[in-house]
Amino acid sequence: KAGVTQTPRYLIKTRGQQVTLSCSPISGHRSVSWYQQTPGQGLQFLFEYFSETQRNKGNFPGRFSGRQFSNSRSEMNVSTLELGDSALYLCASSLAGATSHEQYFGPGTRLTVT
Amino acid sequence: GESVGLHLPTLSVQEGDNSIINCAYSNSASDYFIWYKQESGKGPQFIIDIRSNMDKRQGQRVTVLLNKTVKHLSLQIAATQPGDSAVYFCAEKRVRSYIPTFGRGTSLIVHP
Repeated sequence: KAGVTQTPRYLIKTRGQQVTLSCSPISGHRSVSWYQQTPGQGLQFLFEYFSETQRNKGNFPGRFSGRQFSNSRSEMNVSTLELGDSALYLCASSLAGATSHEQYFGPGTRLTVT
Repeated sequence: GESVGLHLPTLSVQEGDNSIINCAYSNSASDYFIWYKQESGKGPQFIIDIRSNMDKRQGQRVTVLLNKTVKHLSLQIAATQPGDSAVYFCAEKRVRSYIPTFGRGTSLIVHP
C-alpha cells in the first residue's frame, strides 16, 4: 500500500509570496491533518480535514488555510509568507472513526522563506 | 503540550543495549498515548500506542509503560540497533479529538 505523499519536497519562497503544498493520503484514509515542525516549537497542529470539511483547527493565523478534495487529497496554502513560516510541513492521514488515532505521516515539505 | 527545543535531550547507547526514553505528559484526561519515531529527512512514524486504562503494552522489541499517577510515559527498546537512531516523540490525545499534542522529542543515538 502506498504511503502518504507530499509535493513538493523542497520549496524556497520570498517574503510576501504565497505557497501551496499538496498531500495525497493513504488509499482509503479520509482524514488528513497538517502540522508545522520547527526546531523552536516542535510539532504543531495546523488543521484537520475529513470528507472535504475542516473538522479541527489549530492556533495559526488566517494566512494558513487548506482544503480537501473528494478523493481525499489535500492542499494547504500560506499567503503573505513571513520568515517565521520556514519549517517542515507534514501531512498525516488516518482512517475515520473516534479511535482512529493512528496517523501515518508523509515525508514533509521543507519550506524556506527568504 | 511541550515544545521541542533547539537542543533535544539526547540518549546515547551502544548497539545491543536496551534503551529507555521518557516522556512527561500534562493532560490527565488523555485517552491515548502514542510514540513516534522520526528519522532524519522523514516524517514521524507510528511505533506503538497505549490506552489510558492500561499500564503496559508490548510490541516487537518495544514496550511502553504508562504511570498515570505521575503522568509519565516511557518507551523501552530492547537490543537497540543502529537503525533505531532517530528522534522519538510521545503524543497524547483524547478519543473524540483528532488532534494529538506532541511532547518534546528525544534524540536516540546508537553507536555500533
